[in-house]
This record gives sequence, C-alpha cells and structure tokens, in this order.
Amino acid sequence: SQQGEEDPQALSIQEGENATMNCSYKTSINNLQWYRQNSGRGLVHLILIRSNEREKHSGRLRVTLDTSKKSSSLLITASRAADTASYFCAPLEDSGGSNYKLTFGKGTLLTVNP
Amino acid sequence: DGGITQSPKYLFRKEGQNVTLSCEQNLNHDAMYWYRQDPGQGLRLIYYSQIVNDFQKGDIAEGYSVSREKKESFPLTVTSAQKNPTAFYLCASRDFPGPYNEQFFGPGTRLTVL
Repeated sequence: SQQGEEDPQALSIQEGENATMNCSYKTSINNLQWYRQNSGRGLVHLILIRSNEREKHSGRLRVTLDTSKKSSSLLITASRAADTASYFCAPLEDSGGSNYKLTFGKGTLLTVNP
Repeated sequence: DGGITQSPKYLFRKEGQNVTLSCEQNLNHDAMYWYRQDPGQGLRLIYYSQIVNDFQKGDIAEGYSVSREKKESFPLTVTSAQKNPTAFYLCASRDFPGPYNEQFFGPGTRLTVL
C-alpha cells in the first residue's frame, strides 16, 4: 500500500529558524496530507494538498507538491519551541475507487530549541 | 465537544488474554480506522470501516478483530494470537465519501503485555 517516506528522520533547529521536511511516495496520488504528533498523543491534521496543486499555505506552514518527482515538502517558518513534534506525510493513493485509507511513514522528529 | 475518545488511556494485559480497546466518536463520521504505533515508528493500519456493519483488513490485521455495529463505535479486540501486542493504539475517523476529508485522531491507548 502507498506509504510516504519522510526525510530527515530527525531535525534539530533553534527557535526562529525555518524547518523543512520532505516526503517521497511511490504511486500516483489523489492528495497528500501532513499531520503532526506531539509525544504520546494522537495525530492532528495540518494541511492537505491536492494532486493538481503545487503549493499551499496555512499560517506559518507552506507545503509544496511535485507529482513528477513524487515528492512533497513541508516548511515551517519562524519556528517556536511549541512546534517540537513528529511530522508525518500521508499520501492518498489514486486507486480510482472509493477505498480511502491513509498510510503513514515513520515521520520526521522536529526539535526546536529555545 | 465533538471528537473521538479512546479508553482506557493505559491498559495492562497478561499474556494469553484477550483485551478490547474502546473508540467512540460523536462527529457523525462514516469511516473509522485503527492504527498501531511502535516506539520511533510510523503508524500501521490494522482495520478500517467505511460504513456500519462493514470493515476491511489493513496491513497488519492478524491477531486483531473489530466490529462496527454502531456508527459512533469501532472497538478493537487484541487477541491472544497477536504475538507482540505491546504498542500505542490510535483510532481515527473521517467523513465519507470523498477523498478530501481529513482524519481526526483520538488520544490513543497504550497497551502493555506483562
């Protein structure tokens, strides 16, 4: 089944810096979603980008999608200590049917140091 | 408040025992999902259900069972056949149909086999 692979596995930055995380996937997609998980908690949806979109913004988040390279990136600008979390991408395979199931990779663990 | 609840938060089980994890949602979502997360790993899909009285196996269904008798409830039973059940279990739901709806996650249940 389709699964995103995030890179890097871990990222440590200083408060105020930008953080960039990448995601690669294997097959054609309908959309790609990014989620965040604080330690020991459930995931929270951040942003969804459709396959016909190239860039999307939400607050300090910027997501890009390159379907020719089967890759996406998540940029968090002006990071804060509260952004410390794991970030997961979840591509939704374009199977042509109605069997919608997201699969998640191992995530990128972002640490923002105050 | 609308959302997803999982209970209990922590669960301890002796080897050879079956145990049932509860997942309830009041979001009126049709689709519900169960994931397993091991330390430092991503989420793996166990079972999902897109409509009442119907469910499908995910990637790691062996040793697990589910039921979907009510729209708001999707309990997961971890049976004694599951060889390594110690993990963090996450339940999620989403509105259906359509591929553009985000998933909402519960807070998780941490299961430990003694």
